[in-house]
Amino acid sequence: DSGVTQTPKHLITATGQRVTLRCSPRSGDLSVYWYQQSLDQGLQFLIQYYNGEERAKGNILERFSAQQFPDLHSELNLSSLELGDSALYFCASSARDYRAGGRGNYGYTFGSGTRLTVV
Amino acid sequence: DQQVKQNSPSLSVQEGRISILNCDYTNSMFDYFLWYKKYPAEGPTFLISISSIKDKNEDGRFTVFLNKSAKHLSLHIVPSQPGDSAVYFCAASVNSGYALNFGKGTSLLVTP
Repeated sequence: DSGVTQTPKHLITATGQRVTLRCSPRSGDLSVYWYQQSLDQGLQFLIQYYNGEERAKGNILERFSAQQFPDLHSELNLSSLELGDSALYFCASSARDYRAGGRGNYGYTFGSGTRLTVV
Repeated sequence: DQQVKQNSPSLSVQEGRISILNCDYTNSMFDYFLWYKKYPAEGPTFLISISSIKDKNEDGRFTVFLNKSAKHLSLHIVPSQPGDSAVYFCAASVNSGYALNFGKGTSLLVTP
């Protein structure tokens, strides 16, 4: 158990629908990052929050949005879903907002992901 | 635009031998490089990293080499063990910044 909790683990939904993915960061971590892994693709950075504020945006579609709540958990909202949105969505957390990867307090810790299937 | 490339989707190595996983990048601004390991149904876990001021970093059986002029890094695993069988992702960032740029991964199979 990495300490980063993602729910649900699996989600199957129809095109046009909206879903919410949830992430609880590791205790003490203030930053939450969302990544998408599509078939045969590496992990694509979507968005980062630090202590409730948006810090950085990557290749996130306008149909997608995220937020981080006062208790530091984060939600990724995906709307008007298309078949191509089927992917693994990973959340990661870290203690700080300016370091990427590494060990100890500067490390990224990933959750086990939510597998979204759009049919 | 894929800025981090892992051109070998898969690699098979015998137990006890050396595994060499390669990674190329295009963005000369990258200054921090990492390798992550991923088992099925789990998230990636951090393995080893290197900053651009170094050309080698070693941690037990794992060594990462960085060749900045060639924009190339490699991960050496010696000796390889069956438990090393996993997908390995190379990642890079600018100024140890917010986001990691990942490659597509290389699936390593270590056979007994």
